[in-house]
Amino acid sequence: SAVISQKPSRDICQRGTSLTIQCQVDSQVTMMFWYRQQPGQSLTLIATANQGSEATYESGFVIDKFPISRPNLTFSTLTVSNMSPEDSSIYLCSAGTSMNTEAFFGQGTRLTVV
Amino acid sequence: AQRVTQPEKLLSVFKGAPVELKCNYSYSGSPELFWYVQYSRQRLQLLLRHISRESIKGFTADLNKGETSFHLKKPFAQEEDSAMYYCALMNDYKLSFGAGTTVTVRA
Repeated sequence: SAVISQKPSRDICQRGTSLTIQCQVDSQVTMMFWYRQQPGQSLTLIATANQGSEATYESGFVIDKFPISRPNLTFSTLTVSNMSPEDSSIYLCSAGTSMNTEAFFGQGTRLTVV
Repeated sequence: AQRVTQPEKLLSVFKGAPVELKCNYSYSGSPELFWYVQYSRQRLQLLLRHISRESIKGFTADLNKGETSFHLKKPFAQEEDSAMYYCALMNDYKLSFGAGTTVTVRA
């Protein structure tokens, strides 16, 4: 199994600013992902964080808005750039290995943009 | 494109009663399906996956390819089963989630 720590757990930010969310896994994992859960909605995949290369974004998400880094196998960051109230969501980090299809999740970062 | 549908947003049952959460999917290949659960103030966690065909906390789920369904069932609900349940389909290790069903088990 893998234990995932995310920080911050919550934040209130001014519109137009940026927030970087950190995700740390306690073991080496093959894959890391970032999801968004907008209020009252389900989880939507933002992107796959690739180690040492550019993230792979899902339809509707772009690197300029959600830059992602993954410098090593156990750490990734997601930045929410130039925030607007529509970015208010819970952002979740997920990780797993190719040996096991179980996905592990962080506790989430609750972002409120005012 | 793949899609996961959970038609019930809310489900309320009495303790000891059976509970069934519906999940339907659309996927062109051979699906790999999961149920994830989120208890109050806890993180999302795996409940069960169809390939293991196991019972976890009394829950079972059978993949029905003919009906493209993966419904979650428990014969006797307990108060500690109150939670949010998500059906999910995996493709290339990426998960597509249904909208989720909030289950409340009343004493």
